[in-house]
Amino acid sequence: GQQLNQSPQSMFIQEGEDVSMNCTSSSIFNTWLWYKQDPGEGPVLLIALYKAGELTSNGRLTAQFGITRKDSFLNISASIPSDVGIYFCAGLRGSNYKLTFGKGTLLTVNP
Amino acid sequence: NAGVTQTPKFRVLKTGQSMTLLCAQDMNHEYMYWYRQDPGMGLRLIHYSVGEGTTAKGEVPDGYNVSRLKKQNFLLGLESAAPSQTSVYFCASSDPGGLRQETQYFGPGTRLLVL
Repeated sequence: GQQLNQSPQSMFIQEGEDVSMNCTSSSIFNTWLWYKQDPGEGPVLLIALYKAGELTSNGRLTAQFGITRKDSFLNISASIPSDVGIYFCAGLRGSNYKLTFGKGTLLTVNP
Repeated sequence: NAGVTQTPKFRVLKTGQSMTLLCAQDMNHEYMYWYRQDPGMGLRLIHYSVGEGTTAKGEVPDGYNVSRLKKQNFLLGLESAAPSQTSVYFCASSDPGGLRQETQYFGPGTRLLVL
């Protein structure tokens, strides 16, 4: 099946640092989504991207839809302890509402 | 709105036992999904439903059955639990006719341990 390669698998950073993670695929996606999962909770949508080249921000988070439609990245600026969690990218193709998820990036922020 | 709720929150089963996980949503969403989450594997789709009375297989359907008798409920059944089914199970729903039609809303998860 389709796969999304998400990297890095984990990150351990100091509070205040910026973070960058990305997802790549061999397939084209029409929509890219970024979710965050807090420990013990279900994933929550952070940002949705609909057009190639689109750059969207949500507070300290910025995400971009790659020009080739095969990749996306997420940046978090000035990290804080509550940014801890697992970040997932997900892709959607056409009118198929089944999302393909990356394996996640585990972020740890040291106060 | 409670959103998406799941019961139970945690369960321990012995190999061969059966159980049903219940998912309920109060957002009148048409689509519902069951995922399992395992360390290092991300979220994998087990089964999904595009409407009341319909179900379809996802990426990892073996060993599971589902039913969508009512629009607001989506049940996941394990007929004969195996240790390989130890996982965290998430239910999600989405509204294909809505403004954010691609957005899936997730429940809090059910943690299942099969001994």
